[in-house]
Amino acid sequence: GAVVSQHPSRVICKSGTSVKIECRSLDFQATTMFWYRQFPKQSLMLMATSNEGSKATYEQGVEKDKFLINHASLTLSTLTVTSAHPEDSSFYICGDSGQFLETQYFGPGTRLLVL
Amino acid sequence: GESVGLHLPTLSVQEGDNSIINCAYSNSASDYFIWYKQESGKGPQFIIDIRSNMDKRQGQRVTVLLNKTVKHLSLQIAATQPGDSAVYFCAENRGGKLIFGQGTELSVKP
Repeated sequence: GAVVSQHPSRVICKSGTSVKIECRSLDFQATTMFWYRQFPKQSLMLMATSNEGSKATYEQGVEKDKFLINHASLTLSTLTVTSAHPEDSSFYICGDSGQFLETQYFGPGTRLLVL
Repeated sequence: GESVGLHLPTLSVQEGDNSIINCAYSNSASDYFIWYKQESGKGPQFIIDIRSNMDKRQGQRVTVLLNKTVKHLSLQIAATQPGDSAVYFCAENRGGKLIFGQGTELSVKP
């Protein structure tokens, strides 16, 4: 399967600041990557689909101006949480679809805590 | 969202016993299913997958069963070990997107 990394693994920030999370596909050129959010004891919720060279596709209810996604290269997608607030505190996970575009392989996740 | 659980079902088993984790899916048009294992503080890890033209698939110590009639998926883990303790999610591929089930927390007692 694909190997995906994320950075940072955890971040603590003050309310109102912006935080950037990087997701890298290490062994595959991913034209499509996916961003999820996971609250404690809950399932993964798809936030958006990141498309290399074009705009991301956001799921219903996800604010595109708050969660900025950039997929400028085939190996890197970034998620920027703008003007973060305590309710944005969550576990953010990215995934890529690997060669066969069905199975997704996930990064280790980024724990965001907004104070 | 589509698959948000307010609580996490739990399954507790004795080390060495077999575990069966169940999942119901909603869309009869889904044709590809995956089981993931998520350890605390980590991203989900692929375990095994199955297509809708199959009803059973086996891996190393794991078996996935698919019953399309009742839209039910199960994951069987043989000779469960302490390292199997984690949350297990099923996911269905729906138009290129993965829709996750609510998850089951497996606890293995030594």
